[in-house]
Amino acid sequence: EAGVTQFPSHSVIEKGQTVTLRCDPISGHDNLYWYRRVMGKEIKFLLHFVKESKQDESGMPNNRFLAERTGGTYSTLKVQPAELEDSGVYFCASSSRGGNEQFFGPGTRLTVL
Amino acid sequence: DQQVKQNSPSLSVQEGRISILNCDYTNSMFDYFLWYKKYPAEGPTFLISISSIKDKNEDGRFTVFLNKSAKHLSLHIVPSQPGDSAVYFCAASINYGQNFVFGPGTRLSVLP
Repeated sequence: EAGVTQFPSHSVIEKGQTVTLRCDPISGHDNLYWYRRVMGKEIKFLLHFVKESKQDESGMPNNRFLAERTGGTYSTLKVQPAELEDSGVYFCASSSRGGNEQFFGPGTRLTVL
Repeated sequence: DQQVKQNSPSLSVQEGRISILNCDYTNSMFDYFLWYKKYPAEGPTFLISISSIKDKNEDGRFTVFLNKSAKHLSLHIVPSQPGDSAVYFCAASINYGQNFVFGPGTRLSVLP
């Protein structure tokens, strides 16, 4: 069974540009999460989807970040416009309905210059 | 303000000995705790968990201890193996929820 996949693995953009990160969860997982790790610090929760609905988006830093999960399958996280402090590794995770174990993807390393 | 703290950024242990990784939390509402392991260029992988109704959970070489009164948990790995070298994250949630709060991680190096 395929795990959580994320694309791209790395992205380098200039300040002010737009970047879209994609996450494909494990097939059949209703729950999808986005996390961010900045500068080797703690992994911070961004938001949680249950199917296509946003269950909790309390961790989204500001309105430059937009997450979608149309159809309840894959999800995208768009940063527009990107700022220097957005640099970090963005992880996606998924879990089954009622499941507590979250399966993480390999992450997308975003560098904003 | 960090709700989950891992005060040791790194730890080195000799192969075959015990590794003890510590985690402290400030939010008394946390009732579910997990340890994740992360290798370079990979996402974190689930290792072991414990709910607040227990004080110990064991899975093979890995044991997690929870001291609710001290708001402290620890992960014991025995015997440690070189393949255990990774960054270990402690995480916690409220109401067995899905919103995990992670600590900053401890880098464990197991020396052959």
